[in-house]
Amino acid sequence: QKEVEQNSGPLSVPEGAIASLNCTYSDRVSQSFFWYRQYSGKSPELIMSIYSNGDKEDGRFTAQLNKASQYVSLLIRDSQPSDSATYLCAAAKSGQNFVFGPGTRLSVLP
Amino acid sequence: SQTIHQWPATLVQPVGSPLSLECTVEGTSNPNLYWYRQAAGRGLQLLFYSVGIGQISSEVPQNLSASRPQDRQFILSSKKLLLSDSGFYLCAWSPKIGTFNQPQHFGDGTRLSIL
Repeated sequence: QKEVEQNSGPLSVPEGAIASLNCTYSDRVSQSFFWYRQYSGKSPELIMSIYSNGDKEDGRFTAQLNKASQYVSLLIRDSQPSDSATYLCAAAKSGQNFVFGPGTRLSVLP
Repeated sequence: SQTIHQWPATLVQPVGSPLSLECTVEGTSNPNLYWYRQAAGRGLQLLFYSVGIGQISSEVPQNLSASRPQDRQFILSSKKLLLSDSGFYLCAWSPKIGTFNQPQHFGDGTRLSIL
């Protein structure tokens, strides 16, 4: 069974700090990677997609992909209490369905 | 812009009763459609996906079924609910663009409680 793994947390960071969320995947041929944010009781919402090695930045969010190490991360700069949520990582091979990780719960402390 | 609608938002059903959850997508055509279930405190479990009208693939054998009677309509059904069917049911869609997987976009979900 191909898997996506994440530390379940909770990861606690103070307001204004950088939150670093990590994800590893086992299927070496995965090509597409996604980060979702899910507030308690709500549905997941897409934060970022990344397809190539390196960094991709969008506002306070930076996704990092290292295919050689099979590792994807999400950095949240200037963390806010409103960033407190569960963050889901997903990986997919071309034409195949997503494999979601179990999620990491982030708590940003005021 | 594209939107996805799911209803009802919450549902309480007795064991053994039937189920019908509906999902519709607006603003796009020929989308890929998905049904997921999320048990409390757990990850997303893919139940069914569809690449076109009448085309349904099942990921997990169970007492649930899915249908796609129209291009942008996806229905999740059961003839007899089990206690283990409780959970948060999410419908999602993605466009068919290019060779890389496109992001999936989720509806607001249906919280199903079986008594």
